[in-house]
Amino acid sequence: EAQVTQNPRYLITVTGKKLTVTCSQNMNHEYMSWYRQDPGLGLRQIYYSMNVEVTDKGDVPEGYKVSRKEKRNFPLILESPSPNQTSLYFCASRWDRDPTQPQHFGDGTRLSIL
Amino acid sequence: QKEVEQDPGPLSVPEGAIVSLNCTYSNSAFQYFMWYRQYSRKGPELLMYTYSSGNKEDGRFTAQVDKSSKYISLFIRDSQPSDSATYLCAMDAGGTSYGKLTFGQGTILTVHP
Repeated sequence: EAQVTQNPRYLITVTGKKLTVTCSQNMNHEYMSWYRQDPGLGLRQIYYSMNVEVTDKGDVPEGYKVSRKEKRNFPLILESPSPNQTSLYFCASRWDRDPTQPQHFGDGTRLSIL
Repeated sequence: QKEVEQDPGPLSVPEGAIVSLNCTYSNSAFQYFMWYRQYSRKGPELLMYTYSSGNKEDGRFTAQVDKSSKYISLFIRDSQPSDSATYLCAMDAGGTSYGKLTFGQGTILTVHP
């Protein structure tokens, strides 16, 4: 089954404690993205990757890091989380840059930073 | 001002109603227009897309783009309780921004039996 898998689904942690949210896709997609979803603000792109070792900033990259060492994996790293990073996070992938290609989303990771 | 504005609703309609969901935008460079549907506790999924101005129909769903007014719409005919979800519009300007989607805030729709 084609899917994007994120882990963990829920996490409550404290300010400053480094955390990683993993994302894996099994569709051999080149393009992967991370979004955060906040009430009233919709989905905002954090980082994206067009292929292995190719990553770039989205609209709200501050406080986040990513890496793309393998095509299937695209982890999101919060080196020193802060309460304003409390949000619902989605990883997504699609075949390539074409925006009309279906973008497959994971089921989300709800992060609470205390 | 946000680049893409979408009325968050919530919108509640009876089963069988025609639903109209709308987005306005300020960036005249947008040329790809998408509608995503997001069920509760799930990620969004692509519903439809249109390129430039015009209409596109897919079953009970019709997407319309009016670039002169910077206004897009999604119509749902004969709405069903299973259509209850959040609907997000998304846009892409192409060019150097090709592939980068800008989303609206989403409209929460409930269709009650």
